[in-house]
Amino acid sequence: KAGVTQTPRYLIKTRGQQVTLSCSPISGHRSVSWYQQTPGQGLQFLFEYFSETQRNKGNFPGRFSGRQFSNSRSEMNVSTLELGDSALYLCASSLEGRDNSPLHFGNGTRLTVT
Amino acid sequence: DQQVKQNSPSLSVQEGRISILNCDYTNSMFDYFLWYKKYPAEGPTFLISISSIKDKNEDGRFTVFLNKSAKHLSLHIVPSQPGDSAVYFCAPREGGTSYGKLTFGQGTILTVHP
Repeated sequence: KAGVTQTPRYLIKTRGQQVTLSCSPISGHRSVSWYQQTPGQGLQFLFEYFSETQRNKGNFPGRFSGRQFSNSRSEMNVSTLELGDSALYLCASSLEGRDNSPLHFGNGTRLTVT
Repeated sequence: DQQVKQNSPSLSVQEGRISILNCDYTNSMFDYFLWYKKYPAEGPTFLISISSIKDKNEDGRFTVFLNKSAKHLSLHIVPSQPGDSAVYFCAPREGGTSYGKLTFGQGTILTVHP
């Protein structure tokens, strides 16, 4: 069974631009979550999608948004990029319907904002 | 407000000995506790979890202990192997429908020496 796939693996953008990251969950997983990892703040929850609806949102500005498609694939978008948005962005999926199902993470997209 | 604390930034052990990684939390709503291992440039890999209704869960060389009254959990690795060298994260989740929202600790770097 293929794991969580994130594309692209690396991205370099300029301040003020916008970026879209993509995530394909494990087959059969309907919940997709996004996390940001930085050296200063560690791993922080961005948002969670289930059945194309945002179910939870972390404490991030509105420049960070996402969506989920009917096939459970998800994208996240960051508009008006700032230098502080440089981070590893991780996507995770989980099997819905089971209370104690773990999250399975992809290898992330490394975003560098210059 | 740091809800999850891993007070040891690093831990060094000899191959074959026991590794004990600790995690303290403050949020009483956490009811499912996960441990992840992370290598550089990769996403976190799920190791083991424990529900709040249990005080111990074992899977091969990995055992997690939960002390709810002390809001403390620990991960034991016996015997430790050089391949276990990685960053370990404690990541609890609140009850309800927050399946995709984990709160990560800052991590503990484990080094296992041959």
